[in-house]
Amino acid sequence: DQQVKQNSPSLSVQEGRISILNCDYTNSMFDYFLWYKKYPAEGPTFLISISSIKDKNEDGRFTVFLNKSAKHLSLHIVPSQPGDSAVYFCAASASGWDDKIIFGKGTRLHILP
Amino acid sequence: NAGVTQTPKFRILKIGQSMTLQCTQDMNHNYMYWYRQDPGMGLKLIYYSVGAGITDKGEVPNGYNVSRSTTEDFPLRLELAAPSQTSVYFCASSLRQGNSNTIYFGEGSWLTVV
Repeated sequence: DQQVKQNSPSLSVQEGRISILNCDYTNSMFDYFLWYKKYPAEGPTFLISISSIKDKNEDGRFTVFLNKSAKHLSLHIVPSQPGDSAVYFCAASASGWDDKIIFGKGTRLHILP
Repeated sequence: NAGVTQTPKFRILKIGQSMTLQCTQDMNHNYMYWYRQDPGMGLKLIYYSVGAGITDKGEVPNGYNVSRSTTEDFPLRLELAAPSQTSVYFCASSLRQGNSNTIYFGEGSWLTVV
């Protein structure tokens, strides 16, 4: 029973173009969402987050969009750079419900030269 | 800044052996977590703690134990290691404030059970 789903195992994008990574969730109690980036043989590193009171959050080249009615969020990377090639994990948590942070299975992003 | 430090980085265990993965954080975070990541899978929560003296089961707790005697340390104990516990283990911590709960991970511990 996956509460956080990343349905695309991998994605290839040309350098300089926009990368869009998608995430769906099933638990309506989730109110805080995060994106992490992971390189091989390293721990995940925090990228960007969004609270359920917002529908958009930007940080440099990274923007996260939240559509609560669709239980969907997406991460946009513009422009995509070679160093963006990594696995990206979507995660969600629910304050006032329990304190778990649930992760999706990840999407491997390949930036093509 | 050390952040979250976990040891050892690599370990090979024989079936039935026991070991402890150490984790310490120097950010004075109240919450700490242990996750495991299997190939092609996401991060599965094993155990977590919301403060010293308090621990709770995550999604996959069987075969593991934890303790949280101090704010800084959150060791993960494997009793009677099994091949199914071959995985990469990540310790993490966070400072929960309101609904904000950004977690920070250690570098990982690669465990092989043979």
